Amino acid sequence: NAGVTQTPKFRILKIGQSMTLQCTQDMNHNYMYWYRQDPGMGLKLIYYSVGAGITDKGEVPNGYNVSRSTTEDFPLRLELAAPSQTSVYFCASSRDIQETQYFGPGTRLLVL
Amino acid sequence: LAKTTQPISMDSYEGQEVNITCSHNNIATNDYITWYQQFPSQGPRFIIQGYKTKVTNEVASLFIPADRKSSTLSLPRVSLSDTAVYYCLVRGDYKLSFGAGTTVTVRA
Repeated sequence: NAGVTQTPKFRILKIGQSMTLQCTQDMNHNYMYWYRQDPGMGLKLIYYSVGAGITDKGEVPNGYNVSRSTTEDFPLRLELAAPSQTSVYFCASSRDIQETQYFGPGTRLLVL
Repeated sequence: LAKTTQPISMDSYEGQEVNITCSHNNIATNDYITWYQQFPSQGPRFIIQGYKTKVTNEVASLFIPADRKSSTLSLPRVSLSDTAVYYCLVRGDYKLSFGAGTTVTVRA
């Protein structure tokens, strides 16, 4: 099992550009999450999904969109990149809301 | 919106026991308490989870009093490689973020 994989590892965007952060898990988990982590801070929940076709907002959803067409994939879309979105993005999955979350290695995003 | 409160930082020395207490006064009946560890440039990883009383695994112990309004993560005989950020998470609300965590620094 590869667990949770994320691509790319690092990306530089110009203000106003768009991009999609990819996240895939091979554990057949129903729950998937996107977090962002700013330097020295904890992880803030952006969006989550409880299964294919079902997504909902977390604490900081503005400027992001998600989709969940399959159990395995949970891409995060940035439509108009802003410097405030410079951060490290982590994707995670779990079998159930109360169960262990497994995290990917993260995507470091720099918006200039 | 984190429902937990934990110390910002703790210092220790190799071989000592480290105890980190997390307050979660508003814990719901069906909430579990989960602790994660995060090293720089990595995603958090699971350490231990419990519901009540005491849970122990090969890495740590988790003590939860009867009222469940707090919990204590115990790391026995820490080493330099235990220097990390430790997060307490009470999961029952889907929209919960992680708090700032406790930065544990282990010195030689």
